[in-house]
Amino acid sequence: TQLLEQSPQFLSIQEGENLTVYCNSSSVFSSLQWYRQEPGEGPVLLVTVVTGGEVKKLKRLTFQFGDARKDSSLHITAAQPGDTGLYLCAGGLGNKLVFGAGTILRVKS
Amino acid sequence: EAQVTQNPRYLITVTGKKLTVTCSQNMNHEYMSWYRQDPGLGLRQIYYSMNVEVTDKGDVPEGYKVSRKEKRNFPLILESPSPNQTSLYFCASSLSGVGGSTYEQYFGPGTRLTVT
Repeated sequence: TQLLEQSPQFLSIQEGENLTVYCNSSSVFSSLQWYRQEPGEGPVLLVTVVTGGEVKKLKRLTFQFGDARKDSSLHITAAQPGDTGLYLCAGGLGNKLVFGAGTILRVKS
Repeated sequence: EAQVTQNPRYLITVTGKKLTVTCSQNMNHEYMSWYRQDPGLGLRQIYYSMNVEVTDKGDVPEGYKVSRKEKRNFPLILESPSPNQTSLYFCASSLSGVGGSTYEQYFGPGTRLTVT
């Protein structure tokens, strides 16, 4: 059982559509990070959220940390083919980072 | 260029033959970690190190060893590899691991290991 449940596992959408990826847990995290990974490479950090209720925007990406610091969401507006990749959420727990299983996003042109 | 390097990138070996995957970072980071990535399971932490000579088990440490004799290097050792250790391995480093890992983790390019 994953400590951090990500949904959906797969998402295939057309260019221009909006989408949301969810990351849920019963545990409270000190921080929540989102990473993006492309084939053949390691994950690269997109954002870190630390405060419950925090919202951060990165161009067309909006990240939210739940009030209770147990869940997070990633919303992409007007998805583009360049957004294709594996999106991973990761929660800070003690001295460790716990990862979700990931969401594979494919944006078709 | 700030980076984490891993070697080798690809490795095919047989059951029981000891192997080492090297990891090195040039950012003077205190915290280093090893993960394995398997389909549907995401990244699972094997071992981590808060600083030189300080290592601790992650979530899946069985069958692996690590050492941290220098700040920049954190090798992963498989004393007797088995087929269930076939996976994609990532080394990562960050400024610190204290405080719930709020610091960015920098990942290496990965090592794809196949044990037959």
